[in-house]
Amino acid sequence: GQQLNQSPQSMFIQEGEDVSMNCTSSSIFNTWLWYKQDPGEGPVLLIALYKAGELTSNGRLTAQFGITRKDSFLNISASIPSDVGIYFCAGQPPGNTGKLIFGQGTTLQVKP
Amino acid sequence: DTEVTQTPKHLVMGMTNKKSLKCEQHMGHRAMYWYKQKAKKPPELMFVYSYEKLSINESVPSRFSPECPNSSLLNLHLHALQPEDSALYLCASSQDGAGALPSYNEQFFGPGTRLTVL
Repeated sequence: GQQLNQSPQSMFIQEGEDVSMNCTSSSIFNTWLWYKQDPGEGPVLLIALYKAGELTSNGRLTAQFGITRKDSFLNISASIPSDVGIYFCAGQPPGNTGKLIFGQGTTLQVKP
Repeated sequence: DTEVTQTPKHLVMGMTNKKSLKCEQHMGHRAMYWYKQKAKKPPELMFVYSYEKLSINESVPSRFSPECPNSSLLNLHLHALQPEDSALYLCASSQDGAGALPSYNEQFFGPGTRLTVL
């Protein structure tokens, strides 16, 4: 089946630093979603991308839908302690079944 | 109301018990989902309901039985579970599981039910 390769697996950074993570696949996707999950909670939708090449921002977060439709990245600028959590990319493959394919997650730790 | 709610927050059950997980949304969404999530892993899709009909069953064992009484409610009935079924169970909803507009497929998650099977 389709798989998403998300990297890095984990990051430990200093407060104030910028962060970048990405997801790649050998298959194309129609939609890319980025979620953040805090311990013991459900994933929260951060950014949704619908078109190849699209660049979208949400506060300090910026994400892009790759031009080949096979990848996406998420950048976080000027990280703060509350950015700590697990970030998941999710792609919706063609076919409109409603299924999402999730990446394995990037665990972010921020040192104050 | 932009929330998906789930009850209970925590559940401990024995392998012979029967219990149910409940999920509710009042966003007018017509697609609802059950996911299972193990620690530090991504959510794994179990079931999809679209317009109150089961549209996807990801080969889930029959000891998990979903039910969609109406467009706002989704239940997951549990019976004769195994300790390896212990996990965070997440419910999600989207405007339309096979929507004409891409934004209709954005899935919004509830806080989850932490299930422990003894």
